Amino acid sequence: AQSVTQLGSHVSVSEGALVLLRCNYSSSVPPYLFWYVQYPNQGLQLLLKYTSAATLVKGINGFEAEFKKSETSFHLTKPSAHMSDAAEYFCAVKGTYKYIFGTGTRLKVLA
Amino acid sequence: DVKVTQSSRYLVKRTGEKVFLECVQDMDHENMFWYRQDPGLGLRLIYFSYDVKMKEKGDIPEGYSVSREKKERFSLILESASTNQTSMYLCASSSGGDGYQETQYFGPGTRLLVL
Repeated sequence: AQSVTQLGSHVSVSEGALVLLRCNYSSSVPPYLFWYVQYPNQGLQLLLKYTSAATLVKGINGFEAEFKKSETSFHLTKPSAHMSDAAEYFCAVKGTYKYIFGTGTRLKVLA
Repeated sequence: DVKVTQSSRYLVKRTGEKVFLECVQDMDHENMFWYRQDPGLGLRLIYFSYDVKMKEKGDIPEGYSVSREKKERFSLILESASTNQTSMYLCASSSGGDGYQETQYFGPGTRLLVL
């Protein structure tokens, strides 16, 4: 069975600091992995997705994620946090039809 | 741009009421999904549909049913609402054409309060 685990339900960073949100996956087949962002009172929006074409995936708003098979990880990073990055972030893995989501990480950006 | 709309942003209902949540997508997507989102639990799949009149149970279907009479519309029904169904409900759709690479597109969500 496929699953994802997000380490840290809450992460705080200072404005301008590195953002690192962790996601580890479990999958018996090559995984297709996604990061979504949810701003307050909104639905989820795709940040980026891994489709095996390249291990380093660039997304919107300056975010990127690196697929590391040896570590079964797909961590999300951004070099410099902005106040507008405050949101909840979800990692997900795709099955045949279903998507399995992590429990989310709420990012707080401190001025 | 893909647009997924949900009929209500906020809804307040009484215990025992029948509740309908409507979702419409405008991109001719094959697949549609209903999730509920609760703090600390992430998104949990209630039902999904990969074709008109087809439906499959997700991880937490108890107390819910769905209807998909037209391709663009997917309805979630709470037959007899209970307080433990107070939650944020998210609808999503995907094309079904890109296999494992396909992206889900989400509506804005309906925050349901059952009193």
